[in-house]
Amino acid sequence: QKEVEQDPGPLSVPEGAIVSLNCTYSNSAFQYFMWYRQYSRKGPELLMYTYSSGNKEDGRFTAQVDKSSKYISLFIRDSQPSDSATYLCAMSVMYGNNRLAFGKGNQVVVIP
Amino acid sequence: EAQVTQNPRYLITVTGKKLTVTCSQNMNHEYMSWYRQDPGLGLRQIYYSMNVEVTDKGDVPEGYKVSRKEKRNFPLILESPSPNQTSLYFCASSSPTVNTGELFFGEGSRLTVL
Repeated sequence: QKEVEQDPGPLSVPEGAIVSLNCTYSNSAFQYFMWYRQYSRKGPELLMYTYSSGNKEDGRFTAQVDKSSKYISLFIRDSQPSDSATYLCAMSVMYGNNRLAFGKGNQVVVIP
Repeated sequence: EAQVTQNPRYLITVTGKKLTVTCSQNMNHEYMSWYRQDPGLGLRQIYYSMNVEVTDKGDVPEGYKVSRKEKRNFPLILESPSPNQTSLYFCASSSPTVNTGELFFGEGSRLTVL
């Protein structure tokens, strides 16, 4: 079983819709959970970071972590065409541990 | 501007012709790493370095070499490239002392091996 599972299927939504993305994982030692955003022909950039379980909100973006279910989610409210990108989940075990385990990524297209 | 710079951005080469992809960061980061990104497989770590003269294998190190002689530079060497190394390569860096462990990625190097 792969450490991090992210269904890589593309997602097309109309502008203004809520985008919901998720990842599951198998390693219960993961404590640091991240979402990276990757625009076409660019490197990934950190979008959201969460430690342990709970929710974190930043503007239109909400990250949720449920460690009991080994499940993390990213929600994008009022999606905009500029949100069109690939979103990758990532997680690590230790503070300062840079060995991130990445999901495969979801390509999101927001249609005006 | 804080950045990770990779060169070349695009390269077409032939099987067996040695090549080097350079990576340089200007953030004084201790940690540097190389990833390859392939459709359906996502990002996979090739090699990483915790500091100068300290390197270690990632998940897919076969066919690659690295060196870390200076803190800012972390070149990726393909001694004898093969077609299965055709991929999009990313260099990344971070500071382990920053609590998010955020990775800063370069813009990528697209390599085609014929």
